[in-house]
Amino acid sequence: GAVVSQHPSRVICKSGTSVKIECRSLDFQATTMFWYRQFPKQSLMLMATSNEGSKATYEQGVEKDKFLINHASLTLSTLTVTSAHPEDSSFYICSAIRAGGPETQYFGPGTRLLVL
Amino acid sequence: GQNIDQPTEMTATEGAIVQINCTYQTSGFNGLFWYQQHAGEAPTFLSYNVLDGLEEKGRFSSFLSRSKGYSYLLLKELQMKDSASYLCAVLGSARQLTFGSGTQLTVLP
Repeated sequence: GAVVSQHPSRVICKSGTSVKIECRSLDFQATTMFWYRQFPKQSLMLMATSNEGSKATYEQGVEKDKFLINHASLTLSTLTVTSAHPEDSSFYICSAIRAGGPETQYFGPGTRLLVL
Repeated sequence: GQNIDQPTEMTATEGAIVQINCTYQTSGFNGLFWYQQHAGEAPTFLSYNVLDGLEEKGRFSSFLSRSKGYSYLLLKELQMKDSASYLCAVLGSARQLTFGSGTQLTVLP
């Protein structure tokens, strides 16, 4: 299989706080992970590409100082939303590509963030 | 740039066949994916086409024509549980997926 987990699944926080979301590939090594954001009734929008051991590549319009990404190992990438505001409330989903495997992205179950 | 079009909504009857179309215009192409997404959940992988033609996998089949920038997902013997959003996504040159807006399929009894 190719199982990707995310933690937490749901988080509610106050405006101005920081929230860390973890993405783990449970049964495979992933040199590349991706972070997406999805607003209600909209499709997934790629935020950044996370490569193990190097800096993430951010999509245009995504603030790298606000959305900190760390891909410290072949099975873990983290997304930290710094100084979260209500407009950051969204569904954050990560995906991973199996190292040395085909280009299929396997998605985590998502993290629903609500900033009050 | 990337432009991916698919219908917003479709409705079909249980037991029937439905075809969801996707057209794309992209600057780089390394394959096309179809994903299924139930409300509030992450997408699950359905199919991947990189060469022209039809790929069949059980009740689901996916077709690709690279010269026409066109793909479709065919669902046979529809079941109620097939009600979901179906996302067409193109794999670009930088291993990045660009998603269409999704087609919300409703299966009626």
